Amino acid sequence: DARVTQTPRHKVTEMGQEVTMRCQPILGHNTVFWYRQTMMQGLELLAYFRNRAPLDDSGMPKDRFSAEMPDATLATLKIQPSEPRDSAVYFCASGSDGGGPGGYTFGSGTRLTVV
Amino acid sequence: DAKTTQPPSMDCAEGRAANLPCNHSTISGNEYVYWYRQIHSQGPQYIIHGLKNNETNEMASLIITEDRKSSTLILPHATLRDTAVYYCIVRVVGLIQGAQKLVFGQGTRLTINP
Repeated sequence: DARVTQTPRHKVTEMGQEVTMRCQPILGHNTVFWYRQTMMQGLELLAYFRNRAPLDDSGMPKDRFSAEMPDATLATLKIQPSEPRDSAVYFCASGSDGGGPGGYTFGSGTRLTVV
Repeated sequence: DAKTTQPPSMDCAEGRAANLPCNHSTISGNEYVYWYRQIHSQGPQYIIHGLKNNETNEMASLIITEDRKSSTLILPHATLRDTAVYYCIVRVVGLIQGAQKLVFGQGTRLTINP
């Protein structure tokens, strides 16, 4: 089965450091999402792209977070500087327009711990 | 997107049918009902979706009431591996501005007991 690949799977970093998370969407998918999950807030939509163009990043703290798609095979989520409250699992998902018959496919996530 | 209401938790015996309800009383005519589930620490997994007709696939069945204000996800023969958080989401489908978004609520934590 085709899958969404996220790297790294785990990341521990010190407060103030830059963190970059990467996502390889499924080949042919043109919609990419970034979600953050914590126990308190559940799954929060941070940003999403269609055909590599950002459609909505209103869920993302603009001062420290940035999301890009340098090409169709790579999406990145960057935090600079990182803070302890950014500790969470970050999921990437991809799909075709409208979600398609199979909905959206999620990666296994990057578990970020900021100490 | 319309808001959904789900019970926070449910239990079901292994081998029995698990019926997970979802209320979406403010659903619009062009909004679909989607179900995803999240098994512990994994990414959410698509299960099924529908507009107004009942749907079935290899994982589950989706029953949508005639007025479309509620739906039920049915796992016909639940196994221990079906223990997960199940999310009911309503959204439009297509190229309408913002249509691609999936907004997750708190879901139902389903526990399958041996």
